[in-house]
Amino acid sequence: NAGVTQTPKFQVLKTGQSMTLQCAQDMNHNSMYWYRQDPGMGLRLIYYSASEGTTDKGEVPNGYNVSRLNKREFSLRLESAAPSQTSVYFCAAGGGETQYFGPGTRLLVL
Amino acid sequence: QKEVEQNSGPLSVPEGAIASLNCTYSDRGSQSFFWYRQYSGKSPELIMFIYSNGDKEDGRFTAQLNKASQYVSLLIRDSQPSDSATYLCAVNLVDSSYKLIFGSGTRLLVRP
Repeated sequence: NAGVTQTPKFQVLKTGQSMTLQCAQDMNHNSMYWYRQDPGMGLRLIYYSASEGTTDKGEVPNGYNVSRLNKREFSLRLESAAPSQTSVYFCAAGGGETQYFGPGTRLLVL
Repeated sequence: QKEVEQNSGPLSVPEGAIASLNCTYSDRGSQSFFWYRQYSGKSPELIMFIYSNGDKEDGRFTAQLNKASQYVSLLIRDSQPSDSATYLCAVNLVDSSYKLIFGSGTRLLVRP
């Protein structure tokens, strides 16, 4: 089992470009999450999905959109990237209250 | 504002010593508490979770919870250089469905 996978691993964007970060899990968990982590800071929740077909905002949703495509997949979209969105993005899947993280996507916006 | 506070460190301990990592939280209604370990450049991995006041032991790790003081800690006995990492405390929000609020983490350095 791969657990939680994320693509791409690393991406460089120019300001104003768009992209979608992909996340998939094979653990059959209902809940999935997107976080960002900036240097010296903890993880901040961007969006989450408690179950297939539902999504909700977290602490820092501005500038992002999400899609829970099915139970396995949860994508994060940046419509118009800004330098402030340079960060490491982690997807997580949860069974109950515990969450398991993917390897992360490092995003650099120039 | 719900907050989880941790000392950023680094906390430096010699190999074989006990490392004590601390975390305080502001939401008195928080129910569940988690410790994650994150190696540099890697993703967080769950070490332990605790729900009830008192101690919970798992191998060299002990989580301690004091809800009255809004305080949770992680003790690492017989610290090893491989324990050198950032340790993230996380708290489950009582008013949500399994959302976690993370502290900024404490960097632990175990000296050989």
